[in-house]
Amino acid sequence: ETGVTQSPTHLIKTRGQQVTLRCSSQSGHNTVSWYQQALGQGPQFIFQYYREEENGRGNFPPRFSGLQFPNYSSELNVNALELDDSALYLCASSSMWGADDEQYFGPGTRLTVT
Amino acid sequence: RKEVEQDPGPFNVPEGATVAFNCTYSNSASQSFFWYRQDCRKEPKLLMSVYSSGNEDGRFTAQLNRASQYISLLIRDSKLSDSATYLCVVFPWTGGRRALTFGSGTRLQVQP
Repeated sequence: ETGVTQSPTHLIKTRGQQVTLRCSSQSGHNTVSWYQQALGQGPQFIFQYYREEENGRGNFPPRFSGLQFPNYSSELNVNALELDDSALYLCASSSMWGADDEQYFGPGTRLTVT
Repeated sequence: RKEVEQDPGPFNVPEGATVAFNCTYSNSASQSFFWYRQDCRKEPKLLMSVYSSGNEDGRFTAQLNRASQYISLLIRDSKLSDSATYLCVVFPWTGGRRALTFGSGTRLQVQP
């Protein structure tokens, strides 16, 4: 296992609600990236956090926001949920500027919006 | 046009077969290349990195052609346990941002 954990595992929300997903990065890693994977698609980059600041963002609207904490864990917040937000949300931890390029994925949170 | 394009499959092959997956990418600034494997309803896991010189890991061989912006994965002697979705991934590392760009994946089903 990678040592990256995510909570909750599954979540059902109603359109218009808000949701917070959590990710604990692997020990020694200082960077967390979030990805959205819709059914039948590859993961799409949402944003990345490094040292508690956003360090790049994909093509997602501002209602997708995040935080990184001093212990490098992270949260993804989605406001005003839409049906199309139903997806597997993955976080990946890595070490910025480290010798190891690999990003280690957590098991994901499956969000269903009804 | 998608940044990373893959044939979605599915590829249905018998055990023992050799199967090849192809992938093209559009960002010539891409620095690193990978194949990830994703089992149903699980997270993606790194299968192997891809280098211009070609690299092999057991039954798996990956190849990169930078001039054609083309990546391939060859699986020899397919096993039932190889059934999964294979994701082609490029890493256009710019300004310190490490954001992986994934293709949509190619589904492989190995049959007994």
